[in-house]
Amino acid sequence: GDSVTQMEGPVTLSEEAFLTINCTYTATGYPSLFWYVQYPGEGLQLLLKATKADDKGSNKGFEATYRKETTSFHLEKGSVQVSDSAVYFCALSPAGSARQLTFGSGTQLTVLP
Amino acid sequence: DSGVTQTPKHLITATGQRVTLRCSPRSGDLSVYWYQQSLDQGLQFLIQYYNGEERAKGNILERFSAQQFPDLHSELNLSSLELGDSALYFCASSSRTGDNSPLHFGNGTRLTVT
Repeated sequence: GDSVTQMEGPVTLSEEAFLTINCTYTATGYPSLFWYVQYPGEGLQLLLKATKADDKGSNKGFEATYRKETTSFHLEKGSVQVSDSAVYFCALSPAGSARQLTFGSGTQLTVLP
Repeated sequence: DSGVTQTPKHLITATGQRVTLRCSPRSGDLSVYWYQQSLDQGLQFLIQYYNGEERAKGNILERFSAQQFPDLHSELNLSSLELGDSALYFCASSSRTGDNSPLHFGNGTRLTVT
């Protein structure tokens, strides 16, 4: 079945550092790929998405590129802020299906001032 | 604020009991999804409803059931509760099914079974 593997956390960075959170997936066909963010005490919020190979999703300074050849969707940000501290989830939904997201295990990010 | 409302926020109950979790989707959204987030299993899709009809099932136990009412709110019923059912239960909604409209998540109901 489909699966998503995320870099294990927790990740601790200083403000303005570069962030990479690795995500690889296993799925048949051409799934859609997502990054969700969960702030303490809140539900998940969609951060960005990509629906086909070589698409780049971007939002709030975060970027991720859909790489079919390496089955990856790594999340990057050039300069993190304290307010970026949260749990980040990589997810996929199978092509042509309903929004039955398969999530990775989540990566806790803490940014120190 | 996602516009998805879940009640209650917290629920503490004993093993063997039954509870009902409620979800009101965003205004205009027809699809409702239920997810379970636990430490050992992570985030798992349970079930989806679209305009009152069950659309898809994931890893939902037979002790669990759900429904979506004519006003589009949904309830997740958990019975014969076990310690392992302790988790955060999320509801999400979207405007349609099978397209690229994103899921909007509620803040979850934290269930503790003692």
